[in-house]
Amino acid sequence: GNSVTQMEGPVTLSEEAFLTINCTYTATGYPSLFWYVQYPGEGLQLLLKATKADDKGSNKGFEATYRKETTSFHLEKGSVQVSDSAVYFCALSLNDYKLSFGAGTTVTVRA
Amino acid sequence: DVKVTQSSRYLVKRTGEKVFLECVQDMDHENMFWYRQDPGLGLRLIYFSYDVKMKEKGDIPEGYSVSREKKERFSLILESASTNQTSMYLCASLPTGTPDGTQYFGPGTRLLVL
Repeated sequence: GNSVTQMEGPVTLSEEAFLTINCTYTATGYPSLFWYVQYPGEGLQLLLKATKADDKGSNKGFEATYRKETTSFHLEKGSVQVSDSAVYFCALSLNDYKLSFGAGTTVTVRA
Repeated sequence: DVKVTQSSRYLVKRTGEKVFLECVQDMDHENMFWYRQDPGLGLRLIYFSYDVKMKEKGDIPEGYSVSREKKERFSLILESASTNQTSMYLCASLPTGTPDGTQYFGPGTRLLVL
């Protein structure tokens, strides 16, 4: 079946630190890959996505590259801010419109 | 912008009560989804609907049912609420033909069953 494994948290960082959240997947086929973010008290919103191998998704200073050879889609940001404190979810979708999510990683950035 | 709204942000119910969670989207999307979110488990799909009056079970449908009488509205029903249904419930929508499957989420309903 399809599954997503992401780095366990929680992660606590200082402002301007480098953030990496690891995500690997198992899928029967060639999925689209996503990072969703959930800010405190809100629903999920799409952060970035990639639809094929070697694509790089980017948004708000975050980046992730679709690596087919390692079945990974790690999220990175070079300099985090307090406003980046949130829960981050890695997810995949095949052609059936359903999303499979990882467990989520809670990130706290301290000033 | 796509807007997905959920009827309540917080809800407290008693064991055995019938609970209705409502979700409305304003972008004429064909597909709608109900998830529950629990710490350490991520989001798990309960039910989804790809058209009016159509529904399919997700990964954890037990104890839940759904209703889709109008395209814009998708209801999740807990026939007899139990304490293990205390959770955050998230609704999402998606137009058919979206090449990459990006879903749009509502703000969530945090349900406490006592």
